[in-house]
Amino acid sequence: AQSVAQPEDQVNVAEGNPLTVKCTYSVSGNPYLFWYVQYPNRGLQFLLKYITGDNLVKGSYGFEAEFNKSQTSFHLKKPSALVSDSALYFCAVRDILTGGGNKLTFGTGTQLKVEL
Amino acid sequence: NAGVMQNPRHLVRRRGQEARLRCSPMKGHSHVYWYRQLPEEGLKFMVYLQKENIIDESGMPKERFSAEFPKEGPSILRIQQVVRGDSAAYFCASSPRSGPETQYFGPGTRLLVL
Repeated sequence: AQSVAQPEDQVNVAEGNPLTVKCTYSVSGNPYLFWYVQYPNRGLQFLLKYITGDNLVKGSYGFEAEFNKSQTSFHLKKPSALVSDSALYFCAVRDILTGGGNKLTFGTGTQLKVEL
Repeated sequence: NAGVMQNPRHLVRRRGQEARLRCSPMKGHSHVYWYRQLPEEGLKFMVYLQKENIIDESGMPKERFSAEFPKEGPSILRIQQVVRGDSAAYFCASSPRSGPETQYFGPGTRLLVL
């Protein structure tokens, strides 16, 4: 089975500074990786995904992620953090279901706190 | 284009009652997924459905839980005889196809069992 790990429960960063939220993956075959964000009492919003192609993926709200095959990582980044970026971030990997189709297997989430 | 809709947003049930959670996928999406988020945890896959078919229910508890996606109408996640441990946020997602497609999530139903 595929899996992802988010080693940090919480990341604190000052507004205007760059931010990184870490994710490493373990897959057999080609990895299909996703980042989602969850605001309090809301659903998950899709940020970006890596399927194939460029290792640097650009997504919504100024976020980007870098796929690194040698380090099996897919870290989420933003050059300049905003207070409004404070939320819970989930990394996910596509996992093939034995019955057909796919599911997402999520990491445990990283709480991002951006302070003034 | 409306997103994935779920209702109710909040549901309170007493132990032993039934809970019915509804999910309407995005327009044009025929693939529906249900996930559960327990407090302080990530989302866990429960079941994957296409119209009138359950494709994979490997994440569903063996008893009391069932899901359907009829030809007409929303997908339903049904929990019979709820227990306190069922208290969680239940999210539905949809995609237009299978494969590495983006899954778009609804706002969730927060179930509280008293």
